[in-house]
Amino acid sequence: GENVEQHPSTLSVQEGDSAVIKCTYSDSASNYFPWYKQELGKRPQLIIDIRSNVGEKKDQRIAVTLNKTAKHFSLHITETQPEDSAVYFCAATLNNAGNMLTFGGGTRLMVKP
Amino acid sequence: NAGVTQTPKFQVLKTGQSMTLQCAQDMNHEYMSWYRQDPGMGLRLIHYSVGAGITDQGEVPNGYNVSRSTTEDFPLRLLSAAPSQTSVYFCASSYGSRGGPKTQYFGPGTRLLVL
Repeated sequence: GENVEQHPSTLSVQEGDSAVIKCTYSDSASNYFPWYKQELGKRPQLIIDIRSNVGEKKDQRIAVTLNKTAKHFSLHITETQPEDSAVYFCAATLNNAGNMLTFGGGTRLMVKP
Repeated sequence: NAGVTQTPKFQVLKTGQSMTLQCAQDMNHEYMSWYRQDPGMGLRLIHYSVGAGITDQGEVPNGYNVSRSTTEDFPLRLLSAAPSQTSVYFCASSYGSRGGPKTQYFGPGTRLLVL
């Protein structure tokens, strides 16, 4: 089945700096790659997603890139703010399971003011 | 719309007890699913459903049962609780995947402690 690895597990940046989180996946049939933000004690919330027919997508300070050949995708957050502090999860669709997802292990991002 | 709702918010069980975690959505989503999240880890798929009357196993189905008699509801049953099932359980729903995968929306979670 699909396996998603995520790095780093923790990331500390200064406010205003950029943060990059990287994920690799194993199943070349995966075609949808969402990123979720989870604050302590809360549910995961979608922040951006990308489909396999697109190489890059941007939404204000957040961007995601996808390299299908290498089977990796990355989340880029620019001009980080303290409210960006949370755990971020990448995910990929499980083959033959509709929209169901397999998740990376998460990255705890800490933005220091 | 209330979105995806889950009850209870928190539950303590003794080993061997059974219980049902409830999940409902009011967005007319075809797909529903259950994930568990252990401390410091990502979510893992337990069971999912692509429509009323249709269910399938995910990555970690052992010890859990599901049924989908209506579009709105997707309960998760723990048959005989074990300490290894201590976790936070999230229900999710989405539209069907015709035309490509769709965003999954998560409920607020149920925190389960098995003693």
